[in-house]
Amino acid sequence: KAGVTQTPRYLIKTRGQQVTLSCSPISGHRSVSWYQQTPGQGLQFLFEYFSETQRNKGNFPGRFSGRQFSNSRSEMNVSTLELGDSALYLCASSPQGGELTEAFFGQGTRLTVV
Amino acid sequence: KQEVTQIPAALSVPEGENLVLNCSFTDSAIYNLQWFRQDPGKGLTSLLLIQSSQREQTSGRLNASLDKSSGRSTLYIAASQPGDSATYLCAVNTGNQFYFGTGTSLTVIP
Repeated sequence: KAGVTQTPRYLIKTRGQQVTLSCSPISGHRSVSWYQQTPGQGLQFLFEYFSETQRNKGNFPGRFSGRQFSNSRSEMNVSTLELGDSALYLCASSPQGGELTEAFFGQGTRLTVV
Repeated sequence: KQEVTQIPAALSVPEGENLVLNCSFTDSAIYNLQWFRQDPGKGLTSLLLIQSSQREQTSGRLNASLDKSSGRSTLYIAASQPGDSATYLCAVNTGNQFYFGTGTSLTVIP
């Protein structure tokens, strides 16, 4: 069974640009969550999508957005990039999300903003 | 707001030692707790999942315990090996999201 696939693995962008990251969950999983990992803040929750709807949202500005498609694949978009957006972005998939399920993470996308 | 703390932040042990990593959380209203391993620059690998109704889980040389009422979990690694060197993260699931600790960086010296 294939794991969680994130593309691309590495990105370099310039301040002010926008970027789109992609996550393909494990087959059959309907919940996709996104996390930002930085050395200073650790892992922070961005948002969760379930059945194409954003179900939960963390405390990030509106420049961070996402969506989920009918095949459960998810994309995350960051507009007007800032230097502080440089981070490892991790996607997690789980069958249903919520209280009882285990999360499986992808390898992440390393975003560098210059 | 849920806060998760891991102690120690870093640990260095000789190969073969048994060791314990600690995780504490401030709000006991959790559904489960998951331990992960992260190698440098890589994603998270799930090690153990403990549901809130469980006291412990075991997988090979790993044993995790959970005391929900006191807000504590431990990860016990038996007979450590150099391949165990990584950062270990605990995460509590509140139903809406995972809250992560800042991790324990483990180095096992051959």
